[in-house]
Amino acid sequence: AQSVTQLDSQVPVFEEAPVELRCNYSSSVSVYLFWYVQYPNQGLQLLLKYLSGSTLVKGINGFEAEFNKSQTSFHLRKPSVHISDTAEYFCAVTVGAFSNDYKLSFGAGTTVTVRA
Amino acid sequence: DTGVSQDPRHKITKRGQNVTFRCDPISEHNRLYWYRQTLGQGPEFLTYFQNEAQLEKSRLLSDRFSAERPKGSFSTLEIQRTEQGDSAMYLCASSSIVEAFFGQGTRLTVV
Repeated sequence: AQSVTQLDSQVPVFEEAPVELRCNYSSSVSVYLFWYVQYPNQGLQLLLKYLSGSTLVKGINGFEAEFNKSQTSFHLRKPSVHISDTAEYFCAVTVGAFSNDYKLSFGAGTTVTVRA
Repeated sequence: DTGVSQDPRHKITKRGQNVTFRCDPISEHNRLYWYRQTLGQGPEFLTYFQNEAQLEKSRLLSDRFSAERPKGSFSTLEIQRTEQGDSAMYLCASSSIVEAFFGQGTRLTVV
């Protein structure tokens, strides 16, 4: 079975500073990887996804992530954060290409708090 | 495309009561998922439908939980004899292939 570890539970950051959220996964087969954002009392919104091809993927709101197969990592980055980026961020993985169900396994989440 | 819709958004119920939640997926999506999210945790998979067929259920889905997707359209999740441990956010997602779109969730509080 696959699993996801988000290495930081909380990340405080100043406005306009860069931020990196770390995600490692484990799986015995190839995976698809995702980052979702969740605002308080809301559902999850997809930021970006890695399915295949270029290991650097760009998403919405200026976020990007890099897939590193050798290190089994998919870290999320943003060069300059805004107050509105304050939210919970979840890394998720699926081995759906093999199981054909595409159910997601999520990490425990990273809370990003952006301060002025 | 109005996105995935869930109803109600919030539900407070007394222990031992039954509750039912509804999810309306994006219309052209044939796959529908239910997840449960407790405070401070990531969502956990509960069950999955492809069209009207329920293809997988997690061990988290005890016999007090039942889900249906009649005619492959909307889905309902029912919890019988609710317990305080059932308090959580219940999230529905739909997809056509890989990318899942989530609803706003139903927050259940069992008192």
